[in-house]
Amino acid sequence: QQQVKQSPQSLIVQKGGISIINCAYENTAFDYFPWYQQFPGKGPALLIAIRPDVSEKKEGRFTISFNKSAKQFSLHIMDSQPGDSATYFCAASKSGANSKLTFGKGITLSVRP
Amino acid sequence: DAGITQSPRHKVTETGTPVTLRCHQTENHRYMYWYRQDPGHGLRLIHYSYGVKDTDKGEVSDGYSVSRSKTEDFLLTLESATSSQTSVYFCAIRDLTDTQYFGPGTRLTVL
Repeated sequence: QQQVKQSPQSLIVQKGGISIINCAYENTAFDYFPWYQQFPGKGPALLIAIRPDVSEKKEGRFTISFNKSAKQFSLHIMDSQPGDSATYFCAASKSGANSKLTFGKGITLSVRP
Repeated sequence: DAGITQSPRHKVTETGTPVTLRCHQTENHRYMYWYRQDPGHGLRLIHYSYGVKDTDKGEVSDGYSVSRSKTEDFLLTLESATSSQTSVYFCAIRDLTDTQYFGPGTRLTVL
């Protein structure tokens, strides 16, 4: 059973547009929800993360929206740029000792000039 | 960068040979992780460590073993490599905010 599901599987957006990536999770004990960005040949890097005590978090052009009742969270990239073209992973974990992240399968975002 | 290095960065080996991948951190973090990344599967946890000589299995641990004799080093061993273990392997460390920082990866090809 896949505990963290991402959609869509791939996304093409025009420069300046809004990119939206969704993530759904199963385990209601999860309380930490990060998004990672990965460029080809590199390791994933934390982009932004949220905890359930807030419904939205914004850092620059990147925003996470969190819906606890629906067990969903999404990443919004405003004013998308070609440099945002990368693979994006959502993940979830339960905080505490021996915490382990469960990752979605990732989506490839292409921003067209 | 979070002070994580992996070695080797690339390796080609033959089926049945033992392989050891090394992860080294300079951050003195307690938690370290090994993942493999494959197309269509995302990142899957192989093993993790919560302290020196303290390790536990992840979701895809079969065929892999780990050791951690020092805080800074976490070794992943494939006792007898198989073609299904051809993958990109990432090490990660976790800080006190639950943030995981990933190394640059090791691309392993088993022929």
